Amino acid sequence: GDSVTQMEGPVTLSEEAFLTINCTYTATGYPSLFWYVQYPGEGLQLLLKATKADDKGSNKGFEATYRKETTSFHLEKGSVQVSDSAVYFCALMNSGGYQKVTFGIGTKLQVIP
Amino acid sequence: NAGVTQTPKFQVLKTGQSMTLQCAQDMNHEYMSWYRQDPGMGLRLIHYSVGAGITDQGEVPNGYNVSRSTTEDFPLRLLSAAPSQTSVYFCASSRGQGVNTEAFFGQGTRLTVV
Repeated sequence: GDSVTQMEGPVTLSEEAFLTINCTYTATGYPSLFWYVQYPGEGLQLLLKATKADDKGSNKGFEATYRKETTSFHLEKGSVQVSDSAVYFCALMNSGGYQKVTFGIGTKLQVIP
Repeated sequence: NAGVTQTPKFQVLKTGQSMTLQCAQDMNHEYMSWYRQDPGMGLRLIHYSVGAGITDQGEVPNGYNVSRSTTEDFPLRLLSAAPSQTSVYFCASSRGQGVNTEAFFGQGTRLTVV
C-alpha cells in the first residue's frame, strides 16, 4: 500500500538557518503530494502541493519539488523564523478510487531566536 | 467561509461512555473522512464517505461508527469509550475525482478518555 516516510524530529534550528525536511514515498500510480503544517494548538493547514512529476510547490518561502525518479518531496526554506515553529506533515493522495490521504508521522520544527 | 467545522474542540469522557463528534462542511464536497492523530504515528484513517448514504472503513475503524445522511454532515460516534481512544480527531473533506483536488481539515477535537 501507499506509505510516506519522514523523520520525526524534533528539528531545532536557529532563526535564519536553512531548513530541509526529507520526505520519501511509496505509491502506485501518480499521486499528488502535499505538505501540511500544524501550528501549536491548531488544526492542519495545507502549506503547498504538487500534482505531477517535476512540479514545484511553494508558499510562505517554503518549497518542495516532486521528484518521481527518487520518489521524494523534500521541504526546504532558505531562512526560517520563530513563527515557523510547528509540526510538518508530508502526505500523498492517490487519484484512483477513494482519495485517502496517507500521512507521514510528522516532523516537529523548533526555531529559536 | 467556514470550511470544515468540528465540535467540540475538547472533550473528556469516562471509560464506557458514548459520544458523537460532529463534523460539517459547507463546500459541497463529496468526500469526507475521519482521522485520528497519535504521537509517532501521524494521522490514520478511521472511516470515510464518498457521498451521502455511502460509508466505508479505514485503517482503524474498531470502536467507531459513522453515517452520512446529508452531504454536509459526517458525525463520528464512539460507542463505548476506551482509554486507547484518547487522541486528536480530525475531520476532512475533498471534492470528487480530480488531479488538483486536496483535502481540507477541521481544527480537530482533542479527546481524553479516563
